[in-house]
Amino acid sequence: EVQLVESGGGLVQPGGSLRLSCAASGFSFSSFWMTWVRQTPGKGLEWVGNIQQDGNAKYYADSVKGRLTISRDNAKSSLFLQMNSLRPEDTAVYFCARDFIGTGSHDHWGQGTLVTVSS
Amino acid sequence: QSALTQPASVSGSPGQSITISCTGTSSDVGGYNYVSWYQQHPGKAPKLMIYDVTKRPSGVSNRFSGSKSGNTASLTISGLQAEDEADYYCNSYSSSGPSYVFGTGTEVTVL
Repeated sequence: EVQLVESGGGLVQPGGSLRLSCAASGFSFSSFWMTWVRQTPGKGLEWVGNIQQDGNAKYYADSVKGRLTISRDNAKSSLFLQMNSLRPEDTAVYFCARDFIGTGSHDHWGQGTLVTVSS
Repeated sequence: QSALTQPASVSGSPGQSITISCTGTSSDVGGYNYVSWYQQHPGKAPKLMIYDVTKRPSGVSNRFSGSKSGNTASLTISGLQAEDEADYYCNSYSSSGPSYVFGTGTEVTVL
């Protein structure tokens, strides 16, 4: 069974940093693009960025470019989101998702981890 | 990377059909067949319902169908059931970036 479990969320002050993790199991992690998506409380979904299987290619939403960095450790079947220079508008539930090969969609999602940026 | 436009809410009675629209531009919805739809119940993770505009993942009811015309994609739910009450989001590949962009979301209410 495919499982994605996020961790690392919490309360952080504006300008601070946080590192989210996503532990994957039940599939060959190194064979899939992976994606981060966030959802502001009570609002819609926002694509954050994604990363190629070998970690060489990464793409980001304009709203996070230069502040959030996606990485992965295929040996540990783990995906990461390093969040720097955090702003109150980054407050959201962050989901990791597996990309459905060749389709541009996301077929498995974690349950999300809440990040709150507030003083 | 502006969000795709969806109606805020759509409602229907059990057994009826409803359609949710998702309007973008020629740089996203209109330019690629990488449109997907997600169902999200409160407090839950999104669930993939439609991918590549018209395809259903294994296990998704055939009451759900997708289509596209020009810059607008649509999700139709036929034979509406109480369990279909949820938020629905469209998503499309975008040449801007490149990146992906979600729709603004639609709340479906079963009357």
